[in-house]
Amino acid sequence: KQEVTQIPAALSVPEGENLVLNCSFTDSAIYNLQWFRQDPGKGLTSLLLIQSSQREQTSGRLNASLDKSSGRSTLYIAASQPGDSATYLCAVNNNAGNMLTFGGGTRLMVKP
Amino acid sequence: DAGITQSPRHKVTETGTPVTLRCHQTENHRYMYWYRQDPGHGLRLIHYSYGVKDTDKGEVSDGYSVSRSKTEDFLLTLESATSSQTSVYFCAISATLLLSGNTIYFGEGSWLTVV
Repeated sequence: KQEVTQIPAALSVPEGENLVLNCSFTDSAIYNLQWFRQDPGKGLTSLLLIQSSQREQTSGRLNASLDKSSGRSTLYIAASQPGDSATYLCAVNNNAGNMLTFGGGTRLMVKP
Repeated sequence: DAGITQSPRHKVTETGTPVTLRCHQTENHRYMYWYRQDPGHGLRLIHYSYGVKDTDKGEVSDGYSVSRSKTEDFLLTLESATSSQTSVYFCAISATLLLSGNTIYFGEGSWLTVV
């Protein structure tokens, strides 16, 4: 059974810092991996999707990398801003079917 | 924002009563999903639908049933609510299978408390 872990569970940084969020998964037979953002009391918004054949994806200040063989992904946020404060979740789609397996999330707070 | 509406957004119900949550989409997407989100467990798939009247079980389907009589509506029913079903329920939609890499869109969530 696929298991997805995100460490740390919470992170507080000063504005302007570059930071890295980590995601690990136990079964490397995945189709793709996604990073989501969730604001308090809201649904999830997809940020980046990396197909299994890709190594990384970039969108603005966000860069996500995937090392499928080691079961790891990182989300890099450059020059963090208070507006980046949210919970970030990673999820993998694997051979179990049309299902995403989510990590528990990292709650990020960026202080002005 | 994707056109997904969940109702009700908040509900308190008593143990043993039936509860139905509704998800309505205006995107004409083929696939619809129900997830629940709990502290310590992240989001887990309950059921999903791949077309009208076509549904399949997810990871935590016990105690839940679903129905899809129209493309735009996906209903989640708790036949007899229990306290362990207190959770936040999210509906999601996608145009294609998730393995193809198309975006999945989530609704705003329905907060259910079973007392």
